[in-house]
Amino acid sequence: GESVGLHLPTLSVQEGDNSIINCAYSNSASDYFIWYKQESGKGPQFIIDIRSNMDKRQGQRVTVLLNKTVKHLSLQIAATQPGDSAVYFCVPMDTGRRALTFGSGTRLQVQP
Amino acid sequence: GAVVSQHPSWVICKSGTSVKIECRSLDFQATTMFWYRQFPKQSLMLMATSNEGSKATYEQGVEKDKFLINHASLTLSTLTVTSAHPEDSSFYICSAPVGAGNNQPQHFGDGTRLSIL
Repeated sequence: GESVGLHLPTLSVQEGDNSIINCAYSNSASDYFIWYKQESGKGPQFIIDIRSNMDKRQGQRVTVLLNKTVKHLSLQIAATQPGDSAVYFCVPMDTGRRALTFGSGTRLQVQP
Repeated sequence: GAVVSQHPSWVICKSGTSVKIECRSLDFQATTMFWYRQFPKQSLMLMATSNEGSKATYEQGVEKDKFLINHASLTLSTLTVTSAHPEDSSFYICSAPVGAGNNQPQHFGDGTRLSIL
């Protein structure tokens, strides 16, 4: 069946610390993974993606790690800022499926 | 980067009214767009896939006669909530994949907050 990213519901970090948001997925056939950030009252914003032939990808202040063996991803945010407060979703995609299936996400709260 | 624009951003109307929401891809063409609904404190739920030049594909449990989708051009999809009732109040969001192949990132509009009185 469809793969959905499973998250812990909340994560609270201090401003300036690094954040690590973890995500598990169920379908070993998932071959493409997208991280989205959704701020209150807005649509999801693309952060970074990774394909199954990679195990790490870096962006600006963010790094995504993929462990296909245990079907796990993580999003690392360096030097977390108040503007990083949002709900984060990892969205696994299965080959041939274009629609996205969202799990419940992780709400990141940045404490000043 | 790719931008998806939704209009209106919010609408309040009386029960029984029909409401049209527009989703535009501003700097790319999209043969497929997706419509999602999000209730407070919940995740996004896929409602339907909008296909340019053909009928939309609806997810199980979504009434096609209630949520009319039209995708008449490569840059515009519309969702019409017909005879809206208070239970239709929600946050409606569209997305469009950038690129024609599978495994492409999708970009989302900023959503439409619909409140039915």
